[in-house]
Formats: sequence, C-alpha cells, structure tokens
Amino acid sequence: DAKTTQPPSMDCAEGRAANLPCNHSTISGNEYVYWYRQIHSQGPQYIIHGLKNNETNEMASLIITEDRKSSTLILPHATLRDTAVYYCIVFGRGGSEKLVFGKGTKLTVNP
Amino acid sequence: GAVVSQHPSWVICKSGTSVKIECRSLDFQATTMFWYRQFPKQSLMLMATSNEGSKATYEQGVEKDKFLINHASLTLSTLTVTSAHPEDSSFYICSASRVTNGYTFGSGTRLTVV
Repeated sequence: DAKTTQPPSMDCAEGRAANLPCNHSTISGNEYVYWYRQIHSQGPQYIIHGLKNNETNEMASLIITEDRKSSTLILPHATLRDTAVYYCIVFGRGGSEKLVFGKGTKLTVNP
Repeated sequence: GAVVSQHPSWVICKSGTSVKIECRSLDFQATTMFWYRQFPKQSLMLMATSNEGSKATYEQGVEKDKFLINHASLTLSTLTVTSAHPEDSSFYICSASRVTNGYTFGSGTRLTVV
C-alpha cells in the first residue's frame, strides 16, 4: 500500500502558485519524499525530492514539515502545461526498493 | 542524464500472439528495473521487479508465465506479454533505479490487443 495520502484533485489559475499537499505520517527516518508527475499517456516525470530540508529547483519547491509527516509541493507560477497527476512517494534510496504509487492529485491549471 | 528509453511506444497485436517491450537505461547502469501497468484513469500498479542476472520478483496476482521478464544486462530489461488477450490491453511503463538519484521512468508502451 502507498504510504502517502493526497487530495484527489485541485484547480489552479494560470500564473498563480499551485500548492499540492501530501501526508506521510508513517515516514521512516531514512526515507525520502519524492514528487513525480504524469502528463496524460506519458511516463512519470521526476520533479523534486527531499529528506528533511526544504528544496528548490528549476521546476518547483518542496516544503517538508519539521516532523516530516507532511510536505507541500509548490509550483510557483503554474502554466497550462503543468496540468497533470502529481504523485508524492516516500522511500529509502537503497536502489532496489519498490516504488508504490498512490492515487495522486490531478492538478488542473485553468486559463 | 538518467534517460530511460522504452520501445515500442505503442503496439497493436492480435489475440493469442506475444509482444515484447524493451526498456533501456541509456546513460547509466541499472541493476534494478521495475515494470508497471496502468489502466485508464488509474494509478500505476507495480507488476514486477527485475534484477540483472537473476529472476524477476512478481507482485501478488501477476502471472509469471504470462508476463516474462528478462534482465540480461545492466542496461536492458524486457517484458514479454505472452498469448495476449484483450484484457491485457493497458499502458506498460518501466523504470530504472540509480542508487543516488532515485528512479527514472520510460515513456510507456500502449498495448492494444484485438
């Protein structure tokens, strides 16, 4: 079973920030939080990951709470091309651990 | 970096025939690859874990004899759907792991069995 829970859907206006929440209350100390997104009929695309510090890259920012039980993915200026299903996944980085996908959040960016 | 190539991107086959899907890590060696299946409007469902040089580990409910997985090298894993039937029609996705950088996914293969 997936170790994360996410809202099934969210809407965002184009140009505004999209904040996608994720709960992972049973996360272990050595597990990372990863975010992927899947645009229709494509493979999942890596967005960002973190352990306990907040992270930022060219695509997004990741805010992880101090107790690490939840996180928020922030797309600072959403565009129509950001419409996708966003998956939050937690796992260790041994290289062979299975990635179990939950249902994700369907983000719709509206013009 | 970290590119995973999956071929074909789509395939149509007749019921009863077999179809092979390839997953290649182009710029890194992947000791472990994973195969997923995705039905419309559903999430990805893990089918099996493929380890280079050893037998694949299948998830509960996935038929080993129907979905043959071969991981003969550090850059190539193949999934063969044997004796395909219409209910096997789905979107198949592979992923490869890098110890330090997480998982990279292929672009997926749309299989339609007629």
